[in-house]
Amino acid sequence: GQQVMQIPQYQHVQEGEDFTTYCNSSTTLSNIQWYKQRPGGHPVFLIQLVKSGEVKKQKRLTFQFGEAKKNSSLHITATQTTDVGTYFCAGRSSNTGKLIFGQGTTLQVKP
Amino acid sequence: NAGVTQTPKFQVLKTGQSMTLQCAQDMNHEYMSWYRQDPGMGLRLIHYSVGAGITDQGEVPNGYNVSRSTTEDFPLRLLSAAPSQTSVYFCASNKQGSTEAFFGQGTRLTVV
Repeated sequence: GQQVMQIPQYQHVQEGEDFTTYCNSSTTLSNIQWYKQRPGGHPVFLIQLVKSGEVKKQKRLTFQFGEAKKNSSLHITATQTTDVGTYFCAGRSSNTGKLIFGQGTTLQVKP
Repeated sequence: NAGVTQTPKFQVLKTGQSMTLQCAQDMNHEYMSWYRQDPGMGLRLIHYSVGAGITDQGEVPNGYNVSRSTTEDFPLRLLSAAPSQTSVYFCASNKQGSTEAFFGQGTRLTVV
């Protein structure tokens, strides 16, 4: 079945450093979504990428979708303490509509 | 517009007990899903539904039942609770063909 792998599992950075998390799918995805979960909270949608090679930016966050539509990345420039949380990628199957999540990357930012 | 509402927020069960986690959405979304979240495992799909009367299994369906008699409600039933079902459970909904999934606040379940 469809599998979505995400690395790294944890990342500790100093405030102001950059951060990147990577997502790989075992199958071609129709789209990839990214979510953020604050400690003790629930996942909140950040963005969706649909096109091969697509790049989208949200302030200091840059999202990329691979050319083969099997991988994606999220890059945060100059992290802030408000960036703390777990970032999940999720791939939706075009056949079933199932949304399958990666394991998530938990980001800690030291002030 | 409350979004996705889950009840209860916390629950402690004894091994072998049964219970139902409730999930309701008021956004007229066709798709609803149940996930469990365990440390290091991310969010794993238990069951999902693409509309009233239609359900299907996700990645980890064993020990759980669902039904979807209305568009709004998607309860998750634990038939005979086991300690391995200790987890945080999230319900989510999204509109068919749409992008974002909306999550409930979660239910923290402990089975002793």
